Amino acid sequence: KAGVTQTPRYLIKTRGQQVTLSCSPISGHRSVSWYQQTPGQGLQFLFEYFSETQRNKGNFPGRFSGRQFSNSRSEMNVSTLELGDSALYLCASSSAIRNSNTEAFFGQGTRLTVV
Amino acid sequence: GNSVTQMEGPVTLSEEAFLTINCTYTATGYPSLFWYVQYPGEGLQLLLKATKADDKGSNKGFEATYRKETTSFHLEKGSVQVSDSAVYFCALSDRARDDKIIFGKGTRLHILP
Repeated sequence: KAGVTQTPRYLIKTRGQQVTLSCSPISGHRSVSWYQQTPGQGLQFLFEYFSETQRNKGNFPGRFSGRQFSNSRSEMNVSTLELGDSALYLCASSSAIRNSNTEAFFGQGTRLTVV
Repeated sequence: GNSVTQMEGPVTLSEEAFLTINCTYTATGYPSLFWYVQYPGEGLQLLLKATKADDKGSNKGFEATYRKETTSFHLEKGSVQVSDSAVYFCALSDRARDDKIIFGKGTRLHILP
């Protein structure tokens, strides 16, 4: 079965712009989580969506937002881009049944560069 | 809150050497523990997992045992290969409490031929 698909793979944006990243989870998975990976901060949790509802949120400013559609596909949006937003953005999907510690499956990520 | 601490890298070893990457965790519930691996330019791949105390996860020659008494989940491999060069992340999740996977900062491993 197909894995987690993230588009685009690479993006270059200028400061002040906004960007939208897309993630298609594994078929049947209803949970999608987003992470930011930078050399300095490592992997940081952004938010998780389950059945179109944000279920958990990390410690990021309001410029970072997301949503999930009825087919479980998810998008994250970053507005008013800053240089420090340059990172690899990873999406992970899981079946995420409550009280079942299933693993997450990751996409290849979107490399965002802000210039 | 829950947290994961793993040894800092980079770790450099010669091919066929024995590998240990230490990982300890703090959790108030009963988490599952994972090791993920990230090859250059790629996302994270699940390497192995353990869901309860004394479970041993294993895959591709790597092993890790869930030790509740020492709150540890150290990754080991008896004989590493150049192809094992990657970044390794220890992680936990406790879906009875919340739905985040908490990662350690990652350990970069270099294997020299």
